[in-house]
Amino acid sequence: EAGVAQSPRYKIIEKRQSVAFWCNPISGHATLYWYQQILGQGPKLLIQFQNNGVVDDSQLPKDRFSAERLKGVDSTLKIQPAKLEDSAVYLCASSTPRRDGGRGYTFGSGTRLTVV
Amino acid sequence: GNSVTQMEGPVTLSEEAFLTINCTYTATGYPSLFWYVQYPGEGLQLLLKATKADDKGSNKGFEATYRKETTSFHLEKGSVQVSDSAVYFCALMKGAQKLVFGQGTRLTINP
Repeated sequence: EAGVAQSPRYKIIEKRQSVAFWCNPISGHATLYWYQQILGQGPKLLIQFQNNGVVDDSQLPKDRFSAERLKGVDSTLKIQPAKLEDSAVYLCASSTPRRDGGRGYTFGSGTRLTVV
Repeated sequence: GNSVTQMEGPVTLSEEAFLTINCTYTATGYPSLFWYVQYPGEGLQLLLKATKADDKGSNKGFEATYRKETTSFHLEKGSVQVSDSAVYFCALMKGAQKLVFGQGTRLTINP
């Protein structure tokens, strides 16, 4: 099966500019996640969608970050305006329930954002 | 809240050495525990997992045992290879399906 697709792979912007990332999850995966991975740290959940509804956005800096998942498939994550500390890899993941009660989780390759 | 603590890196070993990467967690109840690996230039991949106490996850020669009494999930491999060089993340999942990661341990294996 195709994996989780993300674009672009790399993005360099100046601070105070805007940027958007795109994610296409594995077909049929109802749950989609955006994680932020700052260099030297583990990924941190920004937002979780179930179909097109938000399940958890408690760690999303809502003054500058926004995300949507129209039609419960693709998702976009936007930063406006960007700050230097937003430099990170943004990972998209999707998951589906498994027969053993766990979840099959798949990560995309990520978008590396550099804010200068 | 739930959290994961990994041994600080980076870790550098010679080929065929024994590997241990420590991981401890804080969580109520019984979370599922995972090790993920990130090879250079690639995305996160699940290495192994354990869903209940005393379970042992294993894959590609790596093993980790879910120890409830010590809240630990240490990663081990008996003989590492150069191709094992990567960043390793310990993680837990409980309830709402989100993964909580440790800070990662960079492993370099020298020939």
